Amino acid sequence: AQRVTQPEKLLSVFKGAPVELKCNYSYSGSPELFWYVQYSRQRLQLLLRHISRESIKGFTADLNKGETSFHLKKPFAQEEDSAMYYCALREPGRRALTFGSGTRLQVQP
Amino acid sequence: DTAVSQTPKYLVTQMGNDKSIKCEQNLGHDTMYWYKQDSKKFLKIMFSYNNKELIINETVPNRFSPKSPDKAHLNLHINSLELGDSAVYFCASSHLEGNEQYFGPGTRLTVT
Repeated sequence: AQRVTQPEKLLSVFKGAPVELKCNYSYSGSPELFWYVQYSRQRLQLLLRHISRESIKGFTADLNKGETSFHLKKPFAQEEDSAMYYCALREPGRRALTFGSGTRLQVQP
Repeated sequence: DTAVSQTPKYLVTQMGNDKSIKCEQNLGHDTMYWYKQDSKKFLKIMFSYNNKELIINETVPNRFSPKSPDKAHLNLHINSLELGDSAVYFCASSHLEGNEQYFGPGTRLTVT
């Protein structure tokens, strides 16, 4: 069975500092990986997906198959980045997502 | 607004009762889902459903049953509610082969 691990429950950084939210997965095939974000009092929404290889709001994430990781990075954190971040995996041929336990990012002024 | 909507937003009820949560999407999607978020913010899939196939997470008790009157709606019925059912329940939808899931605002269920 697939599993997604986010080792940090809370990550607190100062504004302007680099951010890395860790995500590791266990799956024997080639899954699709995603990052979803939930800002305060807003619904969960897609931030980025590994297949698009794009940067959203300054965030990037690279799929490392060797290390089975999909860490989310941003070089300079902003206060508005404070939110709950979920890493998620989708098996080929399946529709549902398997989520990690989430990491709360707190960006202090 | 095009979106995924859920009603009610909050639901407080007593143990043993039967309750329903409604979900509607007007995005034209053909697959809908229910997720449960527990007190530790852990999100777990309960069901995924389109008009041809219902996939149930085997860890979900059979007191939970999804009901879909049409492609735009997926309601969640819960029988004989228990304290452990207290959680936030999220509905979501996507295209059959789409990557992105669109989530509703969530329903906070409190069982007393």
